[in-house]
Amino acid sequence: SAVISQKPSRDICQRGTSLTIQCQVDSQVTMMFWYRQQPGQSLTLIATANQGSEATYESGFVIDKFPISRPNLTFSTLTVSNMSPEDSSIYLCSVDRLGELFFGEGSRLTVL
Amino acid sequence: AQKVTQAQTEISVVEKEDVTLDCVYETRDTTYYLFWYKQPPSGELVFLIRRNSFDEQNEISGRYSWNFQKSTSSFNFTITASQVVDSAVYFCALSSHYNQGGKLIFGQGTELSVKP
Repeated sequence: SAVISQKPSRDICQRGTSLTIQCQVDSQVTMMFWYRQQPGQSLTLIATANQGSEATYESGFVIDKFPISRPNLTFSTLTVSNMSPEDSSIYLCSVDRLGELFFGEGSRLTVL
Repeated sequence: AQKVTQAQTEISVVEKEDVTLDCVYETRDTTYYLFWYKQPPSGELVFLIRRNSFDEQNEISGRYSWNFQKSTSSFNFTITASQVVDSAVYFCALSSHYNQGGKLIFGQGTELSVKP
């Protein structure tokens, strides 16, 4: 398994502000993944973060809205920029460990 | 295109009943992986199983069992003698061998409620 820590675990944010979510893994991994789970919905991949290169975004997600950093092999951040109520979701960090994808506990954001 | 369908939105059973959660998938890839995850009310996603497309053997782990049938593109999950702690949302997911690892296509989830 993998130990994945996310901060914050939850937050309430004001419209128009930005929030950065941190993800720390207990060992080095090549790729880290960011998913979004909107209320009552399934999970959708936002982007894949490789250390030393720009993140690869999925259709419907753009860097200006969801900038990602990957400064080393155990850490990544996802920023949700210029938030609106539609961004209220759980954001989850995940890593692939020998073919098994493990998830952090998620960061539950509520945008007012 | 890849797709995962979990037709059962909600299931409610009484403790000790057996329950099967259905999962039907679509993919054009010959090599792919199927997953099941559990999401309890606390919100974290718990990995349950990964199965590759070349392994059609059924798997049993305690009270959990999985039935993979390529002929019907299904990967169903059965909980035997359900318990209240099994109450959660269960997600089935699909990953192509040719995708970057970690890109999962999730079904909409089935919310299982086990009553005492």
